[in-house]
Amino acid sequence: SAVISQKPSRDICQRGTSLTIQCQVDSQVTMMFWYRQQPGQSLTLIATANQGSEATYESGFVIDKFPISRPNLTFSTLTVSNMSPEDSSIYLCSVEANGEQYFGPGTRLTVT
Amino acid sequence: GQQLNQSPQSMFIQEGEDVSMNCTSSSIFNTWLWYKQDPGEGPVLLIALYKAGELTSNGRLTAQFGITRKDSFLNISASIPSDVGIYFCAGTGNQFYFGTGTSLTVIP
Repeated sequence: SAVISQKPSRDICQRGTSLTIQCQVDSQVTMMFWYRQQPGQSLTLIATANQGSEATYESGFVIDKFPISRPNLTFSTLTVSNMSPEDSSIYLCSVEANGEQYFGPGTRLTVT
Repeated sequence: GQQLNQSPQSMFIQEGEDVSMNCTSSSIFNTWLWYKQDPGEGPVLLIALYKAGELTSNGRLTAQFGITRKDSFLNISASIPSDVGIYFCAGTGNQFYFGTGTSLTVIP
């Protein structure tokens, strides 16, 4: 298994600003994932982040809006840029280990 | 992306009752996973299934990987109040797909 921490756990941000979410894993992993979970909904994959390469974004998500860094095998950041109220969601970091996917506790973002 | 069809969408049961939920897909999967998400937390992996027909237990939880590889079910026996939460299935083929979730409420 993998132990994942995220910072911040929650934040309230103003429209038009940006927030960077950090994800730290207790072991080296090749693949890290960023998900969004809107209230009462399932998880939607934003992008896959591999160390040393550009993140791969899913349909409907773009790098300008959700830039991702992956500087090493235990850390990644997701930035939510130029926020609007529609970006209010839980953002979850995830890693794959031994064919299973493990999740961080999530960052609850509210945009006013 | 693709989402798996999970049912029921929500359940309200009395403490002590058994619970059953399932997940179906139009695609074949190599792995089925079941997660539980408590309010304000990330999903926690409960059970992982790797072979068609596999039946695996984790305490009061039992899950099966359907023989067609297109479905899976999760049973919870003798439910208790802390079983409350949202349960998600997930399947893996060339990527991960998540179910729509089953919200479980246990009435003491």
